Amino acid sequence: GENVEQHPSTLSVQEGDSAVIKCTYSDSASNYFPWYKQELGKRPQLIIDIRSNVGEKKDQRIAVTLNKTAKHFSLHITETQPEDSAVYFCAASKTSYDKVIFGPGTSLSVIP
Amino acid sequence: DTAVSQTPKYLVTQMGNDKSIKCEQNLGHDTMYWYKQDSKKFLKIMFSYNNKELIINETVPNRFSPKSPDKAHLNLHINSLELGDSAVYFCASSQRMPEKLFFGSGTQLSVL
Repeated sequence: GENVEQHPSTLSVQEGDSAVIKCTYSDSASNYFPWYKQELGKRPQLIIDIRSNVGEKKDQRIAVTLNKTAKHFSLHITETQPEDSAVYFCAASKTSYDKVIFGPGTSLSVIP
Repeated sequence: DTAVSQTPKYLVTQMGNDKSIKCEQNLGHDTMYWYKQDSKKFLKIMFSYNNKELIINETVPNRFSPKSPDKAHLNLHINSLELGDSAVYFCASSQRMPEKLFFGSGTQLSVL
């Protein structure tokens, strides 16, 4: 079955700096890659997703890149703000009624 | 108007007891899920229902029994609770699999 690894497990950055979280997946058939943000004590919420027919996607300060050949994808957050502090989960799935498998999460702290 | 609501928010109980968690979504989604988040924040899928039909049943002890009376509701009943069942249980829904997951606010289960 699919296995998703995520690095680093914890990340501290100064406010205004960029943060990068990297994930790898094992199943070459996976083609849907969402990212979820979970603030302390809250529910996970989707922040961005990418499908395998796209190499990069941006939404304001957030961008995701996908390298299908290497089976890895990354989340980039620019101009970080304290409210970006949270646990970020990458995930992978195949289309057509397949489960979403989450990575172990990255705890991001943005220091003011 | 909460999209995915689950009750109770907190559940504290003794080992050996039986308890239930209820979930309802008003998004008109066809698919609902139960996820378990352990103390290390790892999110693992337990069950998935599509239009009241069980689609995914992960390696979960048969003490856990989901029930979907209609596509807007998915309940989780747990028999003979054990210490290791302590976790946060999230209900979620999506229009189809795999698409954006909408999570409930979670149920913090503590087994003493």
